[in-house]
Amino acid sequence: GQQLNQSPQSMFIQEGEDVSMNCTSSSIFNTWLWYKQEPGEGPVLLIALYKAGELTSNGRLTAQFGITRKDSFLNISASIPSDVGIYFCAGSRSSNTGKLIFGQGTTLQVKP
Amino acid sequence: ETGVTQTPRHLVMGMTNKKSLKCEQHLGHNAMYWYKQSAKKPLELMFVYNFKEQTENNSVPSRFSPECPNSSHLFLHLHTLQPEDSALYLCASSQDTGGFNSPLHFGNGTRLTVT
Repeated sequence: GQQLNQSPQSMFIQEGEDVSMNCTSSSIFNTWLWYKQEPGEGPVLLIALYKAGELTSNGRLTAQFGITRKDSFLNISASIPSDVGIYFCAGSRSSNTGKLIFGQGTTLQVKP
Repeated sequence: ETGVTQTPRHLVMGMTNKKSLKCEQHLGHNAMYWYKQSAKKPLELMFVYNFKEQTENNSVPSRFSPECPNSSHLFLHLHTLQPEDSALYLCASSQDTGGFNSPLHFGNGTRLTVT
């Protein structure tokens, strides 16, 4: 079935460092979403991208919808301890943003 | 108060038990979903309901039976489950299933353990 390849699988960084993670697919997506999941909670939407080439920021987070529509990246600048969690990319091949295909997740740990 | 509430938060059941998971959304959305999250695997879509009608069954075994009495409530009835069904079951909602700018909002999930 359709898969998203998300990398890296995990990251252990120092507080204050910038972080970058990405997702790639062999197929075109019409929508890319980035979610964060903390222990004991459900995923929370961080950024939604609906247009190829779109670059969107949410505070220290920036995400881009790749021009080829087959990839997306998420950057976190000046990381802080509360950035810890699992970050998921998700894509939709239709306008139905509920029928999402999820990446495997990137586990982020931040050392104070 | 979270927009999507799931109960119970944790559930342990034997393979012969019957139990139900409940989800309620307070966001005025029309679409609701069940996702399964297993360790080291991507989230898997199970069922989609739009305006109370099931629009998607992602080849889910019949031991999982969803019910959507109205747009605000969604249940997942469980019967004769297997140990490999142990996972975090996440409910989500969205404004609808057919429009842009209608991303998913997730509940905190039910951690299910089948013994």
